[in-house]
Amino acid sequence: NAGVMQNPRHLVRRRGQEARLRCSPMKGHSHVYWYRQLPEEGLKFMVYLQKENIIDESGMPKERFSAEFPKEGPSILRIQQVVRGDSAAYFCASSREAQGKLFFGSGTQLSVL
Amino acid sequence: KQEVTQIPAALSVPEGENLVLNCSFTDSAIYNLQWFRQDPGKGLTSLLLIQSSQREQTSGRLNASLDKSSGRSTLYIAASQPGDSATYLCAVLYSGSARQLTFGSGTQLTVLP
Repeated sequence: NAGVMQNPRHLVRRRGQEARLRCSPMKGHSHVYWYRQLPEEGLKFMVYLQKENIIDESGMPKERFSAEFPKEGPSILRIQQVVRGDSAAYFCASSREAQGKLFFGSGTQLSVL
Repeated sequence: KQEVTQIPAALSVPEGENLVLNCSFTDSAIYNLQWFRQDPGKGLTSLLLIQSSQREQTSGRLNASLDKSSGRSTLYIAASQPGDSATYLCAVLYSGSARQLTFGSGTQLTVLP
């Protein structure tokens, strides 16, 4: 049973470009969460999705950031017009139930030049 | 404000020693509390999850306790090994917070051979 798969592991973008981060949850998991870990800071919640629905996006910046979890395929976190402050590790997690144990992926390290 | 605090920020012990990591939270209304370990450049591995109605959970050399009334949890590691070296994160799912885990900033543990 493969774990939560995130790709790419490392992503380098120049200011103004778009970043697309992908997450495939564990088999049988329909709840997906995105967290961000800024340098020298703890993990912060961004968004919670179920298939085709955004349930809670209260932790996601209102501009430039969007997330989706389509019926088929991985969850996507999209950051438009990236800035240096977006440089961070972005972690995806999934769970079988809404308040169940979370399983995390290895993260995507985004570096904005 | 619902927060999670971990003390100490860093801990170094000789191999074989038993140790305790501390986590405190500001609101006793929680669904559950989860302990993770994070290795450098990698994702989070779930160690133990304690439901609100439970007092402790055990897995191998690890034991986690929960005291909601005092807002505290401890992670006890018996007979520490160099392979235990990692950052240990405590995360709380507060009631009413939808599905957002609130993370502490972690304790960086080094076990010296």
